[in-house]
Amino acid sequence: DARVTQTPRHKVTEMGQEVTMRCQPILGHNTVFWYRQTMMQGLELLAYFRNRAPLDDSGMPKDRFSAEMPDATLATLKIQPSEPRDSAVYFCASGLVHQPQHFGDGTRLSIL
Amino acid sequence: TQLLEQSPQFLSIQEGENLTVYCNSSSVFSSLQWYRQEPGEGPVLLVTVVTGGEVKKLKRLTFQFGDARKDSSLHITAAQPGDTGLYLCAGQYNQGGKLIFGQGTELSVKP
Repeated sequence: DARVTQTPRHKVTEMGQEVTMRCQPILGHNTVFWYRQTMMQGLELLAYFRNRAPLDDSGMPKDRFSAEMPDATLATLKIQPSEPRDSAVYFCASGLVHQPQHFGDGTRLSIL
Repeated sequence: TQLLEQSPQFLSIQEGENLTVYCNSSSVFSSLQWYRQEPGEGPVLLVTVVTGGEVKKLKRLTFQFGDARKDSSLHITAAQPGDTGLYLCAGQYNQGGKLIFGQGTELSVKP
């Protein structure tokens, strides 16, 4: 079965460090989503792309977060500088307009 | 403010019992999806409902979309330990658009 692949699966780093999370969407999917999951807020959309163009990044703190799609096979989410409150599980999902989203298994991020 | 309110947040039952999870909103959605998530994994889609009043069945799981497309329910008959997990509802305003998730219902089914 085709899967969304996220790397790394786990990341522990100190506050102030740059963090880069990567996502390989399912081949052929033209829409990529970044979500963040915490106990307090649940699953929240950070940003999403269609055909590599950003459509909505209203859920993302602009001062420290950035999301890009350098090519159709790679999406990145960067945090610089990282803060303890960024600790969460970050999910990438991909899909097509008339098809459901498929989620990766997430990057569990801990900022000390 | 949570756009989608799920209840209950936690549910612990014995094997063989029935249960219902509710997902309510003041917003109208074009579709509503139910996901199940296990620890260390991403959410996995169970079902999508798109028509007001629609009922879909998946083995022992019955999903219903409200007539006004603002709410939904998930009913599990004769729950089994394998049903344990986090159940999430998510609304979508337009096809291919972002999902608005509820807080989730943590279900534990004890043997």
